[in-house]
Amino acid sequence: EVQLVESGGGLVKPGGSLRLSCAVSGITFNNAWMSWVRQAPGKGLEWVGHIKSEADGGTTDYITPVKGRFAVSRDDSKKMLYLQMNSLKTEDTAVYYCVTGGHYFGSWGQGTLVTVSS
Amino acid sequence: EIVLTQSPGTLSLSPGERATLSCRASQSVSSYLAWYQQKPGQTPRLLFYDASSRATGIPARFGCSGSGTDFTLTITRLEPEDFAVYYCQQYGSSPWTFGQGTKVEIK
Repeated sequence: EVQLVESGGGLVKPGGSLRLSCAVSGITFNNAWMSWVRQAPGKGLEWVGHIKSEADGGTTDYITPVKGRFAVSRDDSKKMLYLQMNSLKTEDTAVYYCVTGGHYFGSWGQGTLVTVSS
Repeated sequence: EIVLTQSPGTLSLSPGERATLSCRASQSVSSYLAWYQQKPGQTPRLLFYDASSRATGIPARFGCSGSGTDFTLTITRLEPEDFAVYYCQQYGSSPWTFGQGTKVEIK
């Protein structure tokens, strides 16, 4: 059974930073492309970014609003996915989901809420 | 960026009825389209990928079709557990984008 468990969300002031973590089990993590998807309160889904497997180059891609502020990384030895979020804005307030896949998203974590407010 | 427009915004139907949901892309995504279901308070669940490949455990009453710019998700006979919000998502061109969702509600 695939399990994804996010942590690290919380309340942060505009301009602040936060690092989300995702513990992954039940898949061959080092072969997997992984993504983050977010959902603002009462709104729809938005892909944030992904990271390829190391075998596929380990490169990342992001939506324009977070480029230069967010960074996805992975630690294959720990089966962990990360999202470093800097220069946070109020519009980044959302539930952030860790998901398997780099194109479509087969398994989802329960999400962690990030609230950016003064 | 490719914009996905889902219609209708809300579909009011009774259990046992047929639901037809539309997803239109602003430019061709070939067959690189997925559908998700999200029930209130739950995480999204993948229904279909590559436009017509059924995800594991998805009942046969769910079907989908389409390619290019026009896609359809069909639920042949609505069960009580099917009332939810449905999203389409394209991965034909980065950035991947989602439609705004169609809510299927009980009439």
